[in-house]
Amino acid sequence: SAVISQKPSRDICQRGTSLTIQCQVDSQVTMMFWYRQQPGQSLTLIATANQGSEATYESGFVIDKFPISRPNLTFSTLTVSNMSPEDSSIYLCSVDSGTNYGYTFGSGTRLTVV
Amino acid sequence: DAKTTQPTSMDCAEGRAANLPCNHSTISGNEYVYWYRQIHSQGPQYIIHGLKNNETNEMASLIITEDRKSSTLILPHATLRDTAVYYCIVISKAAGNKLTFGGGTRVLVKP
Repeated sequence: SAVISQKPSRDICQRGTSLTIQCQVDSQVTMMFWYRQQPGQSLTLIATANQGSEATYESGFVIDKFPISRPNLTFSTLTVSNMSPEDSSIYLCSVDSGTNYGYTFGSGTRLTVV
Repeated sequence: DAKTTQPTSMDCAEGRAANLPCNHSTISGNEYVYWYRQIHSQGPQYIIHGLKNNETNEMASLIITEDRKSSTLILPHATLRDTAVYYCIVISKAAGNKLTFGGGTRVLVKP
């Protein structure tokens, strides 16, 4: 199955600043997915990132707050902009590893906004 | 994608089989049942998936009822490292389909 490297693993940020999270995959994939997991909650899909086109955002998430880049088939970034304490969550990227392996997830970025 | 219902939590004794139920009564013919688990502070991990037939791999077994309205994930010999949140997800295999996570079942394996 695909192997995902996600950076940073954790960060503590000041409110009003922005953080960019990187996700690198060891194989080419058509779509990459970005999730948020708030404390004690399940995962919520933020957006789907296609190479060469704008990301598709889920209800409740907007591009100005969570801009996404997808410059090639192995890499994507998610930026959390103008952060507030409510943005404190774990952010995860995911890809479809194919028929036999399901979807693979990165190890996540634990973000704390103070 | 069809909605799933799972118990919020369950305990299991170490060394015993853990049977995790999932209801998916609105599942359609082209939708698969996937199971993932999330160990604390890690990303979700794929366990197993199936369409109609029962499936087994090195991690677990998946039993799907004949009407496909429910399924059971079986961890044959639970260990302390199996303590995690287990998610049952129903999804078709069309390209670009996204996983939608419900609340999952929080499994605690006790010595």
